[in-house]
Amino acid sequence: GAVVSQHPSWVICKSGTSVKIECRSLDFQATTMFWYRQFPKQSLMLMATSNEGSKATYEQGVEKDKFLINHASLTLSTLTVTSAHPEDSSFYICSARGIIVNQPQHFGDGTRLSIL
Amino acid sequence: GESVGLHLPTLSVQEGDNSIINCAYSNSASDYFIWYKQESGKGPQFIIDIRSNMDKRQGQRVTVLLNKTVKHLSLQIAATQPGDSAVYFCAENRESGGYNKLIFGAGTRLAVHP
Repeated sequence: GAVVSQHPSWVICKSGTSVKIECRSLDFQATTMFWYRQFPKQSLMLMATSNEGSKATYEQGVEKDKFLINHASLTLSTLTVTSAHPEDSSFYICSARGIIVNQPQHFGDGTRLSIL
Repeated sequence: GESVGLHLPTLSVQEGDNSIINCAYSNSASDYFIWYKQESGKGPQFIIDIRSNMDKRQGQRVTVLLNKTVKHLSLQIAATQPGDSAVYFCAENRESGGYNKLIFGAGTRLAVHP
C-alpha cells in the first residue's frame, strides 16, 4: 500500500527555536498533502492543505506565518514551526493523497514536538 | 472546530466478539467516508472506505454501513482480536472553498479483553 514517511518522529527543543518536519510520499505522487495537529486523547484537526507548486490553504485560526508549509515537489512537503513556544507542543501528522479526490489520504506516523 | 460526531467514546469487548463502532455526520452533501485506526504514537491507518452511492462495503473482517437517511456510519469488526485495540476515527470528505478535506470524528477507543 501507499507509504508516507514523516521525519523526525520526535523532537525536543528550546523555546524560540524553529523546527522543520518533513513529509514524503515514498511510492506515489502526492498532488495534495495535509498537515494535522493532534492533542492527547483528541481527534485530528486539519491545519492546512498543500497542493504541489502552490501556496498552502490554512484552516481558520491557524497562523500561516507561524506554521510555514512548503510543497515543492510531488513527493515532499515540509512544515516549519517558527519561533516555537511550549503551547506549540503537540503531535503533528501529515497525510498525502494522489490526484483523485475521493481516495484515502495516507498518513505518516507523526512527529511528537516538545518545546521546553 | 468542525467534527463528525460519535456515539461511543469507549468500547470494551471480549476477544472473539463482534464490535460495532458508530459515527454520525452532519453534511448531507458529503459523498465519501473513511474509517481509520490509530494505534498509540502512530498515524492513522486506513481501514475501509465507502462512497455515498453505496450502503455497505465489506473488507477482511470489517464492514462499513452507510445510512444516508439518518447520516449515520458504522464500522463492524468481526471476531475482534487484541490487535484491534486502538482508537478508531470516522472521517467525512467535505468540499470547502474549492478544496476537498477530511473532517474527523472525535474517535472511539476500542479495548479488546482476552
